[in-house]
Amino acid sequence: DGGITQSPKYLFRKEGQNVTLSCEQNLNHDAMYWYRQDPGQGLRLIYYSQIVNDFQKGDIAEGYSVSREKKESFPLTVTSAQKNPTAFYLCASSTLLGLAGTRHTDTQYFGPGTRLTVL
Amino acid sequence: GESVGLHLPTLSVQEGDNSIINCAYSNSASDYFIWYKQESGKGPQFIIDIRSNMDKRQGQRVTVLLNKTVKHLSLQIAATQPGDSAVYFCAENAGGTSYGKLTFGQGTILTVHP
Repeated sequence: DGGITQSPKYLFRKEGQNVTLSCEQNLNHDAMYWYRQDPGQGLRLIYYSQIVNDFQKGDIAEGYSVSREKKESFPLTVTSAQKNPTAFYLCASSTLLGLAGTRHTDTQYFGPGTRLTVL
Repeated sequence: GESVGLHLPTLSVQEGDNSIINCAYSNSASDYFIWYKQESGKGPQFIIDIRSNMDKRQGQRVTVLLNKTVKHLSLQIAATQPGDSAVYFCAENAGGTSYGKLTFGQGTILTVHP
């Protein structure tokens, strides 16, 4: 888990509610990421952010929103528009290598995850 | 190797055996690859990585082999231990305009019997 923390570990949501998942890192990493994992499957990218106040949609951004007001923090909000939010949510962070236009992610390190269940 | 849907490939070995987990990646532009280990209910843990200018990289008890010609990646674990039991994922990154994105395989379940 390194220096990445996620809270809460378990979260229950009622239909129609928005909920926010916390992710904090003290690794001084530039980039942060949110992934969703469904049972027996790999990770799918929701959103990622390379610098403060900037973020990009991943492969499954619909029904989610993020903010990046501080380098250390990248909270994810699961909105009521997300039709099937029950899943395991993982936050990651990494440094970025190279120059603008040719940058590469370095190793992504993951937090312990938040399991979200819709009641 | 990797599979589609909920039927993850599985590998069962005896303690002390060597394990080989395979991964076929999809993007010929990918130039950075990572293997992760995920135990039940936990986040993925970095094992080893390799860049496309290399064919082989060794760590402690683990070796990653990269064959760019056939877009194949493998993870070899020497003297497998019960604590190695987990789901193993390969991930690829294409860099360039998609440098922030890792694409993950479905995973392989490794079970080590004492």
